[in-house]
Amino acid sequence: SYVLTQPPSVSVAPGQTARITCGGNNIGGKGVHWYQQKPGQAPVVVVYDDTERPSGIPERFSGSNSGNTATLTISWVEAGDEADYYCQVWDIISHHVQFGGGTKLTVL
Amino acid sequence: QVQLVQSGAEMKKPGASVKVSCKASGYTFANYYLHWVRQAPGQGLEWMGIINPNEGTTKYAQKVQGRVTMTRDTSTSTIYMVLSSLRSEDTAMYYCARGAGLPQTNYFDYWGQGTLVTVSS
Repeated sequence: SYVLTQPPSVSVAPGQTARITCGGNNIGGKGVHWYQQKPGQAPVVVVYDDTERPSGIPERFSGSNSGNTATLTISWVEAGDEADYYCQVWDIISHHVQFGGGTKLTVL
Repeated sequence: QVQLVQSGAEMKKPGASVKVSCKASGYTFANYYLHWVRQAPGQGLEWMGIINPNEGTTKYAQKVQGRVTMTRDTSTSTIYMVLSSLRSEDTAMYYCARGAGLPQTNYFDYWGQGTLVTVSS
């Protein structure tokens, strides 16, 4: 099956920029989606189709995808951004979904 | 507004089966695939499978293939997930989620509140 690799943790100071990566073989050829999950809550999509932002998600959240790495960028990080973040792709042929292992974002 | 409302927490013994429901409202049930995703305590998200509410067709993750069955009831806009031969490793929060963007892409735009399934002797 298709493997997505995320760093287990990323730490950043408030006001700085956090970058969370998601590695996969030729992931640039797939649509990548990103979810934020806070403790005790269901995940929420923050970026879909590599770069699109759902309504209600701040512009501080952005995504990119090229080659073997997709990246979720959170600008001007706030304490409220502290959460687990997951990348996800869809295999159009097998109709299977794959999640990355998740990255815990800590705001120092 | 779109809502996915799941059934309540379950406690089961090893070897038993569990049935979790997810009732959809606020949109046309037949127009969106629905998925089941689970999360063991302190672990990441794990996709279990997908159901086409219109035709009832399904696809399952290899890890649970043979133990999971997903069905739907169009009269009540509800999907069901039955997991059999339960093991302690099946202890997890189980979520249903709506798939958006199909068929070219698929992301989860709405999630249920989750159903905690605990497997313990």
